[in-house]
Amino acid sequence: SQTIHQWPATLVQPVGSPLSLECTVEGTSNPNLYWYRQAAGRGLQLLFYSVGIGQISSEVPQNLSASRPQDRQFILSSKKLLLSDSGFYLCAWSRQGPYEQYFGPGTRLTVT
Amino acid sequence: QQQVKQSPQSLIVQKGGISIINCAYENTAFDYFPWYQQFPGKGPALLIAIRPDVSEKKEGRFTISFNKSAKQFSLHIMDSQPGDSATYFCAAPRGSNTGKLIFGQGTTLQVKP
Repeated sequence: SQTIHQWPATLVQPVGSPLSLECTVEGTSNPNLYWYRQAAGRGLQLLFYSVGIGQISSEVPQNLSASRPQDRQFILSSKKLLLSDSGFYLCAWSRQGPYEQYFGPGTRLTVT
Repeated sequence: QQQVKQSPQSLIVQKGGISIINCAYENTAFDYFPWYQQFPGKGPALLIAIRPDVSEKKEGRFTISFNKSAKQFSLHIMDSQPGDSATYFCAAPRGSNTGKLIFGQGTTLQVKP
């Protein structure tokens, strides 16, 4: 069966500090991978989308970036965090094409 | 920009009652509509999905109804239980065979004992 991991689970970072969130998927190969952000009490905003190693599409202009160094690894980064970067970050995977997405447990980021 | 409009924003139902959440979508490349359930502090979990070669899909107490001509689909939770209290999101495909989804804004359901 497939499993998706995210870490860390929670993170408190000062404004201007760097960020690295990691997501890994087990039990599947060549998945589509997604990074979402969810503000408190709001819906899901797609940040990045990847169909393969090194192939990243950015959905929203911002100071965040994403990388996919391995088939089942997806990393969300920032060089300098802003207060507005606070939120609940979710990684998801799906098979190629219009199929169900499966979400990880999320990372709660608080920028102070 | 493509949207999925979800209503109501919040819903309070008595235990044993029926919870109904509605979504309306714009044109999609594929007819595929999943629903997700999210508990506080957790990632959304796939609850039920429909690929409308059928107009209705039922799994246990959860039913999706789909009206293609009206571009609407809904989630019905029969015999609602306090454990169903969560936020529910509908979604629709975005783009052409990309796997991307566009989500509704969510409905917070509270089931009172």
